Amino acid sequence: DVKVTQSSRYLVKRTGEKVFLECVQDMDHENMFWYRQDPGLGLRLIYFSYDVKMKEKGDIPEGYSVSREKKERFSLILESASTNQTSMYLCASSQLPGTGGYEQYFGPGTRLTVT
Amino acid sequence: AQRVTQPEKLLSVFKGAPVELKCNYSYSGSPELFWYVQYSRQRLQLLLRHISRESIKGFTADLNKGETSFHLKKPFAQEEDSAMYYCALSLYSWGKLQFGAGTQVVVTP
Repeated sequence: DVKVTQSSRYLVKRTGEKVFLECVQDMDHENMFWYRQDPGLGLRLIYFSYDVKMKEKGDIPEGYSVSREKKERFSLILESASTNQTSMYLCASSQLPGTGGYEQYFGPGTRLTVT
Repeated sequence: AQRVTQPEKLLSVFKGAPVELKCNYSYSGSPELFWYVQYSRQRLQLLLRHISRESIKGFTADLNKGETSFHLKKPFAQEEDSAMYYCALSLYSWGKLQFGAGTQVVVTP
């Protein structure tokens, strides 16, 4: 059973703080993704990684960075948190296309509030 | 540009009534489409994919390339179907998915 875990379920930070969101998967998946989930906007891709140390920008990368030093771990970093980054953040992982389809497995989410 | 449209933000149906969630897409290639579901206080999970042509929890979805649609249907809604449903399009680029805005389904007894 695929397991994707996220370091926090709820997080409250102040404007200007540096914020780290951690995600770990235990299925040896090559791909990992960070989304933000907002009502009426669905899921929007922030960044994804297809291999260790490899990353690509998604649709809304501004204000975020990522780190993937180990295959199982993918971190999302908010360099200087702002109130418009208050959101639910979802991490997901998947195998590479062709080796098992495109199903993405999601973590439980981190609800981040920036005050 | 690839795009997924779910025109209904909220769908309220009575238990036992049919339910249909609309999904339209725009994509120049051969699409692969999915429905994901998120029940209250649970994580987002795959419900079904068009390539499998299967029925999951009584739901089916048919890809209509002419109308560029992938609507999700169930003939008799149950209270446990209350959830947020997302339609997603595979971008064939490292397994990325483009998600729609989502449809909240509420099934009332």
